[in-house]
Amino acid sequence: EVQLVESGGVVVQPGGSLRLSCAASGFSFDDYTMHWVRQAPGKGLEWVSFISWDGVSTYYADSVKGRFTISRDNSKDSLYLQMNSLRTEDSALYYCVKEEGMTYEFDHWGQGTLVTVSS
Amino acid sequence: DIQMTQSPSSLSASVGDRVTITCRASQSSTFYLNWYQQKPGKAPKLLIYAASSLQSGVPSRFSGSGSGTDFTLTISNLQPEDFATYYCQQTYTTPYTFGQGTKLEIK
Repeated sequence: EVQLVESGGVVVQPGGSLRLSCAASGFSFDDYTMHWVRQAPGKGLEWVSFISWDGVSTYYADSVKGRFTISRDNSKDSLYLQMNSLRTEDSALYYCVKEEGMTYEFDHWGQGTLVTVSS
Repeated sequence: DIQMTQSPSSLSASVGDRVTITCRASQSSTFYLNWYQQKPGKAPKLLIYAASSLQSGVPSRFSGSGSGTDFTLTISNLQPEDFATYYCQQTYTTPYTFGQGTKLEIK
């Protein structure tokens, strides 16, 4: 069974930094592209970033480019999101997501970890 | 960026009804279009990928159609567990944008 378990979400002040982690199990982690998607309270889904299976290719939403860094450690079956220069608008539930298939659909999601940016 | 627009934003229906949700892309996403269901307090769940392919384990009352810029999600014979929020998403090009969501409520 595929499992994605996020951690690291906390309350942080504007301008602060945070590192989210996602522990993957139940599949060959190093075969798959992985994503972070976020959802602000009561709002819709926003794609944040993705990283290729080998970590060579990464992409970011314009809203986080230059502030967030996605990475992975295939030896530990883990995905990360380093978040710097946090803003109040970064407050959201952050989901770790596995990509599948020829059309890059998101077939498995974690339960999310909550980041609150507030003074 | 490809903008995804869903309609309606909310919808009331009864058990047993057939409902259709539409999703329009600001430019062609060919068939790189997925649909997700999200219930309160839960992560989204993949229903339909590649515009019309049913994800494993998803009931056959869910179906998708369309290509290019116009897509639909149809739910036949609505069941109580189908009342949720539905999102479309294009994965043709980054950023992989989502529609704003359609909340399906019980009438």
